Amino acid sequence: QKEVEQNSGPLSVPEGAIASLNCTYSDRGSQSFFWYRQYSGKSPELIMSIYSNGDKEDGRFTAQLNKASQYVSLLIRDSQPSDSATYLCAVSRDDKIIFGKGTRLHILP
Amino acid sequence: DAGITQSPRHKVTETGTPVTLRCHQTENHRYMYWYRQDPGHGLRLIHYSYGVKDTDKGEVSDGYSVSRSKTEDFLLTLESATSSQTSVYFCAISQGALNEKLFFGSGTQLSVL
Repeated sequence: QKEVEQNSGPLSVPEGAIASLNCTYSDRGSQSFFWYRQYSGKSPELIMSIYSNGDKEDGRFTAQLNKASQYVSLLIRDSQPSDSATYLCAVSRDDKIIFGKGTRLHILP
Repeated sequence: DAGITQSPRHKVTETGTPVTLRCHQTENHRYMYWYRQDPGHGLRLIHYSYGVKDTDKGEVSDGYSVSRSKTEDFLLTLESATSSQTSVYFCAISQGALNEKLFFGSGTQLSVL
């Protein structure tokens, strides 16, 4: 079982709709959870962090965490063409942080 | 912008030559990291540092060494470059604790011919 798993995509979403990105992880000792956005040819950029079960909202972004199901997701409301990128899920415990391979998101104008 | 500068941005070298990549930060962060990113593998940790002269290995450290003689500089050296080390290399810092929120430099595209 891969430690952090994401669907590679591409996930195509119409402009203005909600994009839903999912991530599962295998280590129940994981403590911190992150979403990074990476545009083609650029470096990853932190967009959300979440540490406890439930939802965390920041502007158009909502991160959701369910530790019992070992599942973390990112919702992007009112999707814009500028949201087209690869989204990396990262899961951390004290001694390591593991990145998923990313989901490519394409917002259709 | 976490004040991270990587150099060079691009480098082409030949198999067997030594290569050093530099990461410079301006905000006195304790923790610094070197990652490589390859298609199909995602981001993988090479080495990290938790202070001056304090470093440790990541999951893909073979063929790489690092040094941190000053808080602001973290160097990654490929002692004898191989074609399998062709990759994009990212330096990162974390604000606060080890393996907490990471902020990345712009990356170095390294090609080993």
